[in-house]
Amino acid sequence: QVQLQESGPGLVKPSETLSLTCTVSGGSISTYYWGWVRQPPGKTLEWIGHIYYSGSTNYNPSLKSRITISVDTSKNQFSLRLNSVTAADTALYYCARDYWGSNYFDYWGPGILVTVSS
Amino acid sequence: VIWMTQSPSLVSASTGDRVTISCRLSQGISTYLAWYQQKPGKAPELLLYAASTLQTGVPSRFSGSGSGTEFTLTINYLLPEDFATYYCQQYYSIPPTFGQGTKVDIK
Repeated sequence: QVQLQESGPGLVKPSETLSLTCTVSGGSISTYYWGWVRQPPGKTLEWIGHIYYSGSTNYNPSLKSRITISVDTSKNQFSLRLNSVTAADTALYYCARDYWGSNYFDYWGPGILVTVSS
Repeated sequence: VIWMTQSPSLVSASTGDRVTISCRLSQGISTYLAWYQQKPGKAPELLLYAASTLQTGVPSRFSGSGSGTEFTLTINYLLPEDFATYYCQQYYSIPPTFGQGTKVDIK
């Protein structure tokens, strides 16, 4: 059974960079695509982007100028960096397995709340 | 960007009821649609993909239908564990987008 776990700081200052890591267990990261989805408090879900184990990425155009998703196959991890954050980036951030690059998600991490505040 | 409209936003129902949730899109997506269930404080869980294909392990009381711009999620015989928020998601084009959610609560 594939399991995912997000990790990273729960508090980030405005204008700084949000950095999160997702650790995959119960299976190799070297298959499938892996993605990030976020959910502001009380709101719907927003697709951030995804990465293939080879390093190929696709990003949400609304965030593309600020995000980088990377993968470390040796650690079975992938990561998200979102720079120049504002209060609007406060959200629950989920990592998830993107089923064969189809862009729907069959396994999810529990999520990590990231608050942007000084 | 493909916009999605879910309705209703809130359904009050009782155990044993049949519940139907609608998802309408701003452009046609064939059957590239998924449905998720989310309980408070939990990550979403995939229920169906390809509009009508049940994810492994999902009870058969959940069903989906539709194509193009109109889709429906039906829950037959609502059980206590089904009280949650449901989201549709299109994956026809990037960026994938989600509906606003439909909360199913206890009448």
